[in-house]
Amino acid sequence: EDQVTQSPEALRLQEGESSSLNCSYTVSGLRGLFWYRQDPGKGPEFLFTLYSAGEEKEKERLKATLTKKESFLHITAPKPEDSATYLCAVQALGLNTDKLIFGTGTRLQVFP
Amino acid sequence: GAVVSQHPSWVICKSGTSVKIECRSLDFQATTMFWYRQFPKQSLMLMATSNEGSKATYEQGVEKDKFLINHASLTLSTLTVTSAHPEDSSFYICSARPLAEQYFGPGTRLTVT
Repeated sequence: EDQVTQSPEALRLQEGESSSLNCSYTVSGLRGLFWYRQDPGKGPEFLFTLYSAGEEKEKERLKATLTKKESFLHITAPKPEDSATYLCAVQALGLNTDKLIFGTGTRLQVFP
Repeated sequence: GAVVSQHPSWVICKSGTSVKIECRSLDFQATTMFWYRQFPKQSLMLMATSNEGSKATYEQGVEKDKFLINHASLTLSTLTVTSAHPEDSSFYICSARPLAEQYFGPGTRLTVT
């Protein structure tokens, strides 16, 4: 069964304290891995797509990396406005290639 | 990026009534849209895939007769929760994809009293 596990469940950081969020996945074949940011009471906001092991994407203070078993979202010198839930999702090869399988997310709080 | 809207943003209804939620792609055409459900502090669960001009594809365990989906045009999909009950109270989110990535709407908070 295709599965996505995110850790930690919650993370509290001081402003400027860099850290990483983990997304481990088990799929029969990976079509793509997606990172989203979700603020309370809102829909997810697209951040990155990764397709193959070794691939990296960057946007401002965020950097996403991918291996054959997991992805990391690195946050460098975070600011309070980076506080949100970060969701990881995968698309698997197969019949329903559009389907996104989400992890339960990491709730990030950045304190000034 | 692509913009997806939803209406209403929140709705309160009485048990037994039906509620319709609209999902629109504002700056692109979407032959396929997706409907998700999210419970508090839980992740998104795909309910169904909405296909323009054809029947929706429902995930296992989702009642087709309870959650009616209509994708009447390339920019509009609707989800109707029929005979709503308190256990249907949730956050409903739609998405659409102009290319590979799915872009999500702002969500609709449904409360059934």
